[in-house]
Amino acid sequence: QVQLVQSGVEVKKPGASLKVSCKASGDTFTIYGFSWVRQAPGQGLEWMGWISAYNGHTNYAQNFQGRVTLTTDTSTTTAYMELRSLRSDDTAVYYCARTIAASRHFDYWGQGTLVSVSS
Amino acid sequence: QSALTQPASVSGSPGQSITISCTGTSSDVGTYNLVSWYQQHPGKAPKLMIYEVSERPSGFSDRFSGSKSGNTASLTISGLQADDEADYYCCSYAGSNNWVFGGGTKLTVL
Repeated sequence: QVQLVQSGVEVKKPGASLKVSCKASGDTFTIYGFSWVRQAPGQGLEWMGWISAYNGHTNYAQNFQGRVTLTTDTSTTTAYMELRSLRSDDTAVYYCARTIAASRHFDYWGQGTLVSVSS
Repeated sequence: QSALTQPASVSGSPGQSITISCTGTSSDVGTYNLVSWYQQHPGKAPKLMIYEVSERPSGFSDRFSGSKSGNTASLTISGLQADDEADYYCCSYAGSNNWVFGGGTKLTVL
């Protein structure tokens, strides 16, 4: 069955960088895209960006442009999200979600990675 | 891209039906029949419930249904059950590989 397994809890200081991984299994990696979605404590879901695992094309939400980079490694079927210049308001749970190209929805989600940014 | 508008909370008794609205704009909900809905229980990852406005993933309960009119999409849950108590989020494709979520609705089963 399809599984997305994310890397573990991260504790960072303001100004640092973060890289979260999302290991996919159970299906052909390169026919899908992967989106990243975050959820601040007690808040709603916020879409951050999308990457095609087929050709590496990306698109980022305006709020994150210049600070986020999405990549994939097809040899290990892993998607990555790097976020730079961390601030305290980046404290959130970060999710990866497999993205279906034709119908533009997120059918499988990772378990989430808790990121805490504090001095 | 502004978030889609959802009511903060809705409630209903077991067995009843409830509807959650999701209002966007002509740039997202109004243009694309690509609205999806996600259920999130506390401390858990979101789970897909509806895609393409009204399609259910294979094997999912037909108590959940979706619709759209103009810039507003809706999720209806019939025959409410205790386990339906959760947060619900709508999401719309907004073109050029952009997506936008609603602010979320907390469903309470009385």
